[in-house]
Amino acid sequence: QVQLVESGGGVVQPGGSLRLSCAASKFAFSAYGMHWVRQAPGKGLEWVAFIRSDGSIKYYADSVKGRVAISRDNSKNTLYLQMNSLRAEDTAVYYCAKDSGYYDASGSLNYWGQGSLVTVSS
Amino acid sequence: EIVLTQSPATLSLSPGEGATLSCRASQGVGNYVVWYQQKPGQAPRLLIFDASTRATGIPARFSGSGSGTDFTLTISSLEPEDFAVYYCQQRRDWPPLTFGGGTKVEIK
Repeated sequence: QVQLVESGGGVVQPGGSLRLSCAASKFAFSAYGMHWVRQAPGKGLEWVAFIRSDGSIKYYADSVKGRVAISRDNSKNTLYLQMNSLRAEDTAVYYCAKDSGYYDASGSLNYWGQGSLVTVSS
Repeated sequence: EIVLTQSPATLSLSPGEGATLSCRASQGVGNYVVWYQQKPGQAPRLLIFDASTRATGIPARFSGSGSGTDFTLTISSLEPEDFAVYYCQQRRDWPPLTFGGGTKVEIK
């Protein structure tokens, strides 16, 4: 069964930085695009970023563009989200999720990690 | 950006009853709608993709329908484990991927 395990969350001050990781296993990681989706406390789901299977294409939500960078290391089966200039409104559980499309992105997220909580507070 | 509006926000029902959840898109999205289920403290789980295709392992009591701007998720007879929040999402025109605000199905 596909496994996605996030790590790297925690408490950070406004303006600070944090890097989330997502360790993938039990599927061909290098063949699938990956997404980050976040959920503020008590709120709905918000898509954050996408990276193509080979890392050549990246998309970002307007709310994080210029402050966040998605990347991946296919040799380590790991997805990353570097977050800079963090704001209180970035406080959320961040999920990594696997795109269902084989090499071509579909926009349908068929497996999700358990999430990593990021709290931005002074 | 395509906006998805889900209704109702909350649905209060008893086990064994049927549930009908609605998702309306601000513009046509073909059949490119996905439904997820999320239980408290858990990650979302894929239920339905392409409006009506059940994901692997999803029970037949879950069904999806619709095309264009109006979509429906139907649960034919609620089991205790079905009480959760349900989100629709469009993949017709992205980025960004967009989600509806969710419908909470709670025990009456």
